[in-house]
Amino acid sequence: AQSVTQPDIHITVSEGASLELRCNYSYGATPYLFWYVQSPGQGLQLLLKYFSGDTLVQGIKGFEAEFKRSQSSFNLRKPSVHWSDAAEYFCAVGASVAGGTSYGKLTFGQGTILTVHP
Amino acid sequence: DGGITQSPKYLFRKEGQNVTLSCEQNLNHDAMYWYRQDPGQGLRLIYYSQIVNDFQKGDIAEGYSVSREKKESFPLTVTSAQKNPTAFYLCASSIDLDVEQYFGPGTRLTVT
Repeated sequence: AQSVTQPDIHITVSEGASLELRCNYSYGATPYLFWYVQSPGQGLQLLLKYFSGDTLVQGIKGFEAEFKRSQSSFNLRKPSVHWSDAAEYFCAVGASVAGGTSYGKLTFGQGTILTVHP
Repeated sequence: DGGITQSPKYLFRKEGQNVTLSCEQNLNHDAMYWYRQDPGQGLRLIYYSQIVNDFQKGDIAEGYSVSREKKESFPLTVTSAQKNPTAFYLCASSIDLDVEQYFGPGTRLTVT
């Protein structure tokens, strides 16, 4: 079964500093990978997705993520964090169609809470 | 505007009562999902539906029921059999399974 691990429960950065949120997945084939962001009391918003091709994907709000097959990772990065980036971030994995069995769902990590200091 | 709506935003019920949460989408998506979110536990899948008149149990279906009579609608009923129903409930939809899902704003259910 597919699984996702976000090792950091809570990260604190200063405004203007760079950010990297870690995500490791377990899946037998090339997965579909996603990052979502959630503000308190709100739904999840899709930041970016990886299906195939270029392993560095660009998303909204200045975020990017890099797929590294050898490390089973899909880390989210932003060069300069803004106070409005404070939120909870979720990594998710889905089964690629070519990869075999569809599990019929996305599997989400436990989330990483980002706090931004002024 | 296309999107997913959930109503109401906040819902309060007495223990022992069934309650139905609404989810509507106008994205023309085939698949719809219900998740439960509790602090520190991420998202847990309750039910999902790939097409109209078909749905599957997720990881925590006990105490919940759903229907999918229309493509646009996927209501969730929290029954009195659900032992700990107080939570934040999120509805989502997608073009198909395994691809990106789009989420509604959520309903916070409090049962006392």
